[in-house]
Amino acid sequence: QKEVEQDPGPLSVPEGAIVSLNCTYSNSAFQYFMWYRQYSRKGPELLMYTYSSGNKEDGRFTAQVDKSSKYISLFIRDSQPSDSATYLCAMGSQGGSEKLVFGKGTKLTVNP
Amino acid sequence: DTGVSQDPRHKITKRGQNVTFRCDPISEHNRLYWYRQTLGQGPEFLTYFQNEAQLEKSRLLSDRFSAERPKGSFSTLEIQRTEQGDSAMYLCASSFSERGLFEQFFGPGTRLTVL
Repeated sequence: QKEVEQDPGPLSVPEGAIVSLNCTYSNSAFQYFMWYRQYSRKGPELLMYTYSSGNKEDGRFTAQVDKSSKYISLFIRDSQPSDSATYLCAMGSQGGSEKLVFGKGTKLTVNP
Repeated sequence: DTGVSQDPRHKITKRGQNVTFRCDPISEHNRLYWYRQTLGQGPEFLTYFQNEAQLEKSRLLSDRFSAERPKGSFSTLEIQRTEQGDSAMYLCASSFSERGLFEQFFGPGTRLTVL
């Protein structure tokens, strides 16, 4: 079992839809959780950062972490064609290198 | 704040040649990471530096790979005797480890193609 599992999709939605992206993980030591957006052939761009459990909202984006279920989510409201990208979840634990462990990424297309 | 920069953005080389990539982190960041990303996969950790010290290396980093961060500023990643399996996007990220901040900010990557 991989440490982080993420459905690669692809996911296709109409403009204005609510998008739900998810990851599960197996390492209970993970304490901080991030979502990155990556456009084709570009570097990952940090979207959301959450420490421990709970919700965090930033504009149209909401990140949720449920440590008891080892499950994290990213919601995108009022999706736009410019949101079309690959979304990567990443997580890490405090102490040591604090390297990130990534999911495979979910490819999202928002159709106008 | 100019963000993380990487050079070159693209590199095409022949099998057996040596290549070197450069990363300039965000100026106040004391940690620098190298990751590798292949098509359809998320980035995988290769190595990291805290200031000038290289403190951890992944098993993915074979003896043909070497990384340096002289004076704790920019970093270089060298691959000797490149193989076709080295073709990937090489990503650099930086972070500021003080005050419990764990966000890592990535550069645009160097795309390596080994023919």
